[in-house]
Amino acid sequence: GENVEQHPSTLSVQEGDSAVIKCTYSDSASNYFPWYKQELGKRPQLIIDIRSNVGEKKDQRIAVTLNKTAKHFSLHITETQPEDSAVYFCAASRGNFGNEKLTFGTGTRLTIIP
Amino acid sequence: GAVVSQHPSWVICKSGTSVKIECRSLDFQATTMFWYRQFPKQSLMLMATSNEGSKATYEQGVEKDKFLINHASLTLSTLTVTSAHPEDSSFYICSAPSGRTDTQYFGPGTRLTVL
Repeated sequence: GENVEQHPSTLSVQEGDSAVIKCTYSDSASNYFPWYKQELGKRPQLIIDIRSNVGEKKDQRIAVTLNKTAKHFSLHITETQPEDSAVYFCAASRGNFGNEKLTFGTGTRLTIIP
Repeated sequence: GAVVSQHPSWVICKSGTSVKIECRSLDFQATTMFWYRQFPKQSLMLMATSNEGSKATYEQGVEKDKFLINHASLTLSTLTVTSAHPEDSSFYICSAPSGRTDTQYFGPGTRLTVL
């Protein structure tokens, strides 16, 4: 089955600086890679996703890059703000339409230092 | 975006009793729903895939007789934790894919505490 590794497990960044979280996956058939933000006691919220036919996607301060050859994808947050503090999870799935099970990474606790 | 609800949001029960958790897709139909479990400070682990009109598919190591799943309609899946024990205490979250947006939406979760 799919195995997703995520690094780092914790990350502290000065407000305004950039944060990068990296994930690797094992299943070469995976083609959908979402990123979720989870605040304490709340549901995971989708912040950005990327599909295998795209190498990079950007949405304002958030970007995701995908290297299918290396089985590696990364989340980039620029101009970080205190409200970015949360736990971030990457995930991988074989489904193109969100209808396949997700395998999650272990999570990164991001702390933005004011 | 699509809305998924869960009920109850939290429940406390005695050891040995059963607890039912509901997951509903409010504005879309879902032939498939997923049930995850999340222990404190850990990631989400898939327990099973709920399929409308057929049996659920359980992940390796998840006891199907202990975690009963019923997908009774295109908008409702239920998870029943039978003979609950303290080690079943966790945050249970469901998700459902929306065909409109080709992504999964998560319910708000149910925090189960077994005394």
